[in-house]
Amino acid sequence: DAGVTQSPTHLIKTRGQQVTLRCSPKSGHDTVSWYQQALGQGPQFIFQYYEEEERQRGNFPDRFSGHQFPNYSSELNVNALLLGDSALYLCASSFFQGRNNEQFFGPGTRLTVL
Amino acid sequence: KQEVTQIPAALSVPEGENLVLNCSFTDSAIYNLQWFRQDPGKGLTSLLLIQSSQREQTSGRLNASLDKSSGRSTLYIAASQPGDSATYLCAVDGSSNTGKLIFGQGTTLQVKP
Repeated sequence: DAGVTQSPTHLIKTRGQQVTLRCSPKSGHDTVSWYQQALGQGPQFIFQYYEEEERQRGNFPDRFSGHQFPNYSSELNVNALLLGDSALYLCASSFFQGRNNEQFFGPGTRLTVL
Repeated sequence: KQEVTQIPAALSVPEGENLVLNCSFTDSAIYNLQWFRQDPGKGLTSLLLIQSSQREQTSGRLNASLDKSSGRSTLYIAASQPGDSATYLCAVDGSSNTGKLIFGQGTTLQVKP
């Protein structure tokens, strides 16, 4: 049973560029959430997708956008990159109607903005 | 606004010690609380999930407790081993079961051989 997978593992971009990160949820899961984790901090919620729609959003600017596909996989897009966007981006999946809504995380994508 | 705090930020213990990690939250109206482990530069591994109706959960050498009324959870690690060295994060899911986790900043544990 494959867990949550993310690609790429590492990414280096320059300020002003755009980036796309990808996530495949754990088998049987239909909900994907994205988090940003700055060095030495706990993860911060970006947004959540279910049924191909953004269901809820954290305190992040519109430069951060996403998409969910019919197979439940998801993309995170960040436009006009800033130095402060350098972080570990984590994807979590869950089953929306699950009894306890346990979240399972992927290995993350390390984004460095120069 | 829910806030989660973990104390201490870092902890160093000799191998074999029993230890307790603390997590506190400001809003007691939570749906569940999860403890995670994170190795340097890696993703999060779920250790234990406690639903709001539960008082504790156990998995091997790990035991997590939840006291909603006081806004506290503890993670107890028995007979610590060097392989337990990692950052431990707690996260709460609000009462509406949205799956939006609010995390603490973590406790970095070092277990010395």
